[in-house]
Amino acid sequence: NAGVTQTPKFQVLKTGQSMTLQCAQDMNHEYMSWYRQDPGMGLRLIHYSVGAGITDQGEVPNGYNVSRSTTEDFPLRLLSAAPSQTSVYFCASSSTFPGGQFFGPGTRLTVL
Amino acid sequence: RKEVEQDPGPFNVPEGATVAFNCTYSNSASQSFFWYRQDCRKEPKLLMSVYSSGNEDGRFTAQLNRASQYISLLIRDSKLSDSATYLCVVSSASKIIFGSGTRLSIRP
Repeated sequence: NAGVTQTPKFQVLKTGQSMTLQCAQDMNHEYMSWYRQDPGMGLRLIHYSVGAGITDQGEVPNGYNVSRSTTEDFPLRLLSAAPSQTSVYFCASSSTFPGGQFFGPGTRLTVL
Repeated sequence: RKEVEQDPGPFNVPEGATVAFNCTYSNSASQSFFWYRQDCRKEPKLLMSVYSSGNEDGRFTAQLNRASQYISLLIRDSKLSDSATYLCVVSSASKIIFGSGTRLSIRP
């Protein structure tokens, strides 16, 4: 039982590049979410999903897209990376909203 | 005013001490409350949910005060391994808000 997994662990992008952060969970959780964490700030919700085929925007969705084709996977796409997107990105899942969430180990992204 | 506020600390206390943090929230319609701990450069991990009647898990006690709109976390007999950042989470029907965290350092 791996819980929530994220890849890659680290990534460096140039301004304007696109990429996808992967997130998968094996707990059959319906609710999944993406957060970013910046120094001195709490985790901020980017996008979330309450089940396969259903996604919605969180607090800071601009510049990011998500899809949820299966219960297990919830990838986050950066469309055109900007330095302001330099952050640590966490994926999380829970069986209910807003139940206690299980977090992945995070992806540290630097945009130059 | 932030929707969820925590004293950033750091709280620096000796091993064996009792320490308490508060977390205030502004939305009176908030329904669910949690405490997470986050170690340096690691992901947040759920510590405990906070119920209206309060709840205890070993050395940890969480309380909710709806009238004054805050939750608290009490750690008794603190251990070196309790050193971490403690995040409070407040949610309503449609929103989950994380506090910025309170840093705790336990010294020998």
